[in-house]
Amino acid sequence: DIQMTQSPSSLSASVGDRVTITCRASQSISTYLNWYQQKPGKAPNLLIYGASSLQSGVPSRFSGSGSGTDFTLTISSLQPEDFATYYCQQSYNAWTFGQGTKVEIK
Amino acid sequence: QVQLVQSGAEVKKPGASVKVSCKTSGYTFTDYYIHWVRQAPGQGLEWMGWIHPNGGDTHYAQKFQGRVALTRDTSISTAYMELSRLRSDDTAVYYCARDDLNFWGQGTLVTVSS
Repeated sequence: DIQMTQSPSSLSASVGDRVTITCRASQSISTYLNWYQQKPGKAPNLLIYGASSLQSGVPSRFSGSGSGTDFTLTISSLQPEDFATYYCQQSYNAWTFGQGTKVEIK
Repeated sequence: QVQLVQSGAEVKKPGASVKVSCKTSGYTFTDYYIHWVRQAPGQGLEWMGWIHPNGGDTHYAQKFQGRVALTRDTSISTAYMELSRLRSDDTAVYYCARDDLNFWGQGTLVTVSS
């Protein structure tokens, strides 16, 4: 099974900050890497698919990069509605999720 | 519009089984795999398996092999997840999701308690 290691597990940031979350796969997954945002009591919401493609309707402050084993989600200017938990997911071979990154208000 | 609507919350005793349904609409049911993902309270997302409604092929995460069964009824565009020999650590919200990543059910809370 492909393992996904996400870091950090949590971070504190202020509105306007640039935030970066990283995800590493245990083997190459090409660009079969997706990012989700999840808020309490809600299903995950797709932000980025294929490592760098922005899902329709998602603000352009979200971006993704990487290929192979190393990936990054960047929020260029954190907004109040962005405080949530973020998960990476590989869809190269079945699905596996990272452990999540909780983004909290500083 | 595409919708995945899951059945309601369940409370089960240890050792029992639970069957959660995921009724789809707004698209051709047999065109997309359906995945099942669970989330224990305060924990992350855990993939359980997938089913292809066209033919019924399944693939399960190793952790759940022998304890989970994914089925479907194409006549009513509904997928099912049955988990047997329930334990307290199976308490979680269970989600179905379409294979294109963008459509998820609302989640079903399964509580396992004596």
